[in-house]
Amino acid sequence: DQQVKQNSPSLSVQEGRISILNCDYTNSMFDYFLWYKKYPAEGPTFLISISSIKDKNEDGRFTVFLNKSAKHLSLHIVPSQPGDSAVYFCAASEGTGSARQLTFGSGTQLTVLP
Amino acid sequence: EAGVAQSPRYKIIEKRQSVAFWCNPISGHATLYWYQQILGQGPKLLIQFQNNGVVDDSQLPKDRFSAERLKGVDSTLKIQPAKLEDSAVYLCASQGAGEQYFGPGTRLTVT
Repeated sequence: DQQVKQNSPSLSVQEGRISILNCDYTNSMFDYFLWYKKYPAEGPTFLISISSIKDKNEDGRFTVFLNKSAKHLSLHIVPSQPGDSAVYFCAASEGTGSARQLTFGSGTQLTVLP
Repeated sequence: EAGVAQSPRYKIIEKRQSVAFWCNPISGHATLYWYQQILGQGPKLLIQFQNNGVVDDSQLPKDRFSAERLKGVDSTLKIQPAKLEDSAVYLCASQGAGEQYFGPGTRLTVT
């Protein structure tokens, strides 16, 4: 049973436009959510996170929105750049403490077209 | 700050052979994770260490997989004997006070 789902395997967006990546989760105990970006032949790198006490977190061109009632989060990238082309993984964790285990979605391949 | 190092980067073996992967975490990071990422899926946790102790190995197929983290620094993950379905990228991650940092992974192909 997939607890974190990314239903869109791929997304193509024109450079300069907004990219919106979506993620759904089923475990109501999840209280911390993250997005990781992965380039080919590299490990995932942390991008942005959000705690369940917030509904929005912004870092430069990247904004994550959390809708707890819908168990849904999204990542907005504005404006999109060709260098943003990568696989984006949504991840979630529960509990306290800094060393929390992450449950990952299956990823969305974002392609930003010049 | 040096990142998480992993070796080898690629490995091809035949089924029933054994293989070992090595991970050197970021200096000072107490927590170390091994993940398996099968093509088209997200990383799946295999084992979590805190210093040199195991926190959680419930997802590790212990009949063929083993892992250790002697002295609470480097770690090795071993598969013996390998099966075709073990073909995947094996990722190591370490964590201090912030988020998890991942190494580049080892791509294993079992033929």
